Amino acid sequence: AQTVTQSQPEMSVQEAETVTLSCTYDTSENNYYLFWYKQPPSRQMILVIRQEAYKQQNATENRFSVNFQKAAKSFSLKISDSQLGDTAMYFCAFLPLTGNQFYFGTGTSLTVIP
Amino acid sequence: EPEVTQTPSHQVTQMGQEVILRCVPISNHLYFYWYRQILGQKVEFLVSFYNNEISEKSEIFDDQFSVERPDGSNFTLKIRSTKLEDSAMYFCASSESHYGTDTQYFGPGTRLTVL
Repeated sequence: AQTVTQSQPEMSVQEAETVTLSCTYDTSENNYYLFWYKQPPSRQMILVIRQEAYKQQNATENRFSVNFQKAAKSFSLKISDSQLGDTAMYFCAFLPLTGNQFYFGTGTSLTVIP
Repeated sequence: EPEVTQTPSHQVTQMGQEVILRCVPISNHLYFYWYRQILGQKVEFLVSFYNNEISEKSEIFDDQFSVERPDGSNFTLKIRSTKLEDSAMYFCASSESHYGTDTQYFGPGTRLTVL
């Protein structure tokens, strides 16, 4: 069974600063995908970034980047130059290569302080 | 950009009543999903659906739940006899395929309140 753990229920960051959200997971699979989803107060979940486990290079999307450590089963999200619109709940998610069921963490509530 | 839509945004019902939550997936997507999020808890997978049949379901998805694609556009989740613990946000999602390279796009959710 797959589990995803986000150990930081709440975090805050000053506008324009950098923040890192932690995620660890447990799986016996060798090939899988990892995701970070953002859920703003409007409640619609939006994909932030995706990482394929077979790729060693860390994914980057503009101000968002990940630190993927496969051996440690760690997948942290770094947000640079934080903006007020980044205030949201962030979910880490795991998707096995052979399945279509997402496994989500419990989320980290991020507040960007002006 | 195409979006997944869900109706209603908020549904209030009495315990024991049937509810149908509706979703319109993105038009060229073939895989459909339902998730739920009880307030303050993580998002949980309920079911995935492809080619007019369930392809995967979780243990949460018991006989009280059913899904249907009644026409070419809608994808519904029915709860036959709601319980208090069914109160949650229900998210529909769709994807072009079941591979992780194809993103699951989530709808805005339906908040179900069971009284």
